[in-house]
Amino acid sequence: ILNVEQSPQSLHVQEGDSTNFTCSFPSSNFYALHWYRWETAKSPEALFVMTLNGDEKKKGRISATLNTKEGYSYLYIKGSQPEDSATYLCALPLDSGNTPLVFGKGTRLSVIA
Amino acid sequence: EAGVAQSPRYKIIEKRQSVAFWCNPISGHATLYWYQQILGQGPKLLIQFQNNGVVDDSQLPKDRFSAERLKGVDSTLKIQPAKLEDSAVYLCASSLQGVGYGYTFGSGTRLTVV
Repeated sequence: ILNVEQSPQSLHVQEGDSTNFTCSFPSSNFYALHWYRWETAKSPEALFVMTLNGDEKKKGRISATLNTKEGYSYLYIKGSQPEDSATYLCALPLDSGNTPLVFGKGTRLSVIA
Repeated sequence: EAGVAQSPRYKIIEKRQSVAFWCNPISGHATLYWYQQILGQGPKLLIQFQNNGVVDDSQLPKDRFSAERLKGVDSTLKIQPAKLEDSAVYLCASSLQGVGYGYTFGSGTRLTVV
């Protein structure tokens, strides 16, 4: 069983604030880490796939870092906007083969205008 | 490219009734997944197909849930009979093979069992 923990469970920020949240996972047997954004009534959307320790990825105002040795990834949002309101999901595969992703419970972000 | 198509978007049924969901994945994606997301929890895998073969169905409640992927393309997920605890969002996703490939999800079916 792969335990993927996300924190906080939810947070509310003001428009323009920067924020970050965490995905924690066992540091042994790491293969890849995926971040998804899931807006209400829409499909979950892939943000990043990260595979190497020290990886940093960026997409607009959203960036992510990965530390496989200590078992965590941070997702940062700079200058939050109301359209960033969504649930952010972290997921990891069980092994290097054709195995499915195991998801965390997500962090629900609400950006208040 | 066209996305993953799912239908219906919403369904309300009474307990003990049956229901079916349909998914059409991205063309060329051999792997197809069905996930169940109960409110407050992360998506949980129900079944994974590789082409038309089952790779993992260890968490599928086989006494009431069934799934098939005929001809390795479209897939259907059925619940018969439904229970109150089956109320959830059912997500279909497809991907290329390999840990470096992300999923493309459908918009999901929100099922309410009353």
